[in-house]
Amino acid sequence: AQTVTQSQPEMSVQEAETVTLSCTYDTSESDYYLFWYKQPPSRQMILVIRQEAYKQQNATENRFSVNFQKAAKSFSLKISDSQLGDAAMYFCAYKRGGSEKLVFGKGTKLTVNP
Amino acid sequence: ETGVTQTPRHLVMGMTNKKSLKCEQHLGHNAMYWYKQSAKKPLELMFVYNFKEQTENNSVPSRFSPECPNSSHLFLHLHTLQPEDSALYLCASSIPTSYNEQFFGPGTRLTVL
Repeated sequence: AQTVTQSQPEMSVQEAETVTLSCTYDTSESDYYLFWYKQPPSRQMILVIRQEAYKQQNATENRFSVNFQKAAKSFSLKISDSQLGDAAMYFCAYKRGGSEKLVFGKGTKLTVNP
Repeated sequence: ETGVTQTPRHLVMGMTNKKSLKCEQHLGHNAMYWYKQSAKKPLELMFVYNFKEQTENNSVPSRFSPECPNSSHLFLHLHTLQPEDSALYLCASSIPTSYNEQFFGPGTRLTVL
């Protein structure tokens, strides 16, 4: 079965600094997708960034970028120029190609200090 | 309203009560999901509906009964729940594409006394 591991229950960063959240996953599939979701205190989960496993280029969305290491099965999220609004729970998630099921990690709580 | 909405936002019920959670999506999606989010545990997928047909039941106890009358509405009927069922219940919807981006509602915080 596929599993997603987020080894950092909590992280903190100073405003305007850069922080990296870790995620590893376990799968024997070759066709899959990886996601980072953000859940602010108001609880509405939103998609931050996604990565297709067949793409070698790391995904980037403004201040958010990933470091996708396929061989190592690692998918970390880098947040640059951190803002107070980035404070949230961040969940890493995996989806096998053709499946509707998202497998989530336990999450990392990110605190942004002013 | 836009996006995915859920009502009620908070619910307290006794173990003998019957209640229902409602989810509505205004995104034109075809797939809808129920998740359970408990403290310090990963989100657990409960049910998936595709074009109103249930395609996934992740070994959920029968005291949780889903209903999907159309592609825009999803219900979760609750009866004889246990205190360990207290959690945040999230609804999501998506278009069944290859990457299947899911859009989430704000959740219903359920407390079972």
